[in-house]
Amino acid sequence: GNSVTQMEGPVTLSEEAFLTINCTYTATGYPSLFWYVQYPGEGLQLLLKATKADDRGSNKGFEATYRKETTSFHLEKGSVQVSDSAVYFCALRTVAQKLVFGQGTRLTINP
Amino acid sequence: KAGVTQTPRYLIKTRGQQVTLSCSPISGHRSVSWYQQTPGQGLQFLFEYFSETQRNKGNFPGRFSGRQFSNSRSEMNVSTLELGDSALYLCASSLGAPSYNEQFFGPGTRLTVL
Repeated sequence: GNSVTQMEGPVTLSEEAFLTINCTYTATGYPSLFWYVQYPGEGLQLLLKATKADDRGSNKGFEATYRKETTSFHLEKGSVQVSDSAVYFCALRTVAQKLVFGQGTRLTINP
Repeated sequence: KAGVTQTPRYLIKTRGQQVTLSCSPISGHRSVSWYQQTPGQGLQFLFEYFSETQRNKGNFPGRFSGRQFSNSRSEMNVSTLELGDSALYLCASSLGAPSYNEQFFGPGTRLTVL
């Protein structure tokens, strides 16, 4: 079945540091890939997505590239801020199937 | 445009009781999906409704059920509550079938079973 594996947290960084959260997937067919973010006390928000190989999703300074050859969709940001502290979920979906989420990575940014 | 609303936001129940959670999707959205979020299992899909019909179902026991009304509002019900049902229950709505449309999540209902 489809599955998503993302790096375990928690991840703690200083402000302005470079961020990478690894995400790899297993899927039949050609999935769409997503990164969601969950701020404290809130639901999930779609951060970015990519629907085919080599697509790059970007939003709010975050980027991720759909790499079919390595079945990966790593999340990156060049300079994190305290306001980026949240839990990040990598997810995939194939046609007519439900969203499958990774376990989530808690990110804390210290000033 | 108002977002997805879930009521109640917090709920405390005891084992053996039953509970009903409500979700109002974004106006115009016809699909509602439900997820359970726990520290141990992460985010797990419960079920998906589109135009009052259940279109997809996750691997949960029959104690978990749901329905969708003609105005697209949805409810989920958990009967004979167990301690392990303590979780954040998230509802997501989408314009059409979620396989092809972005899902927008509500803030969740936090259920505690004592």
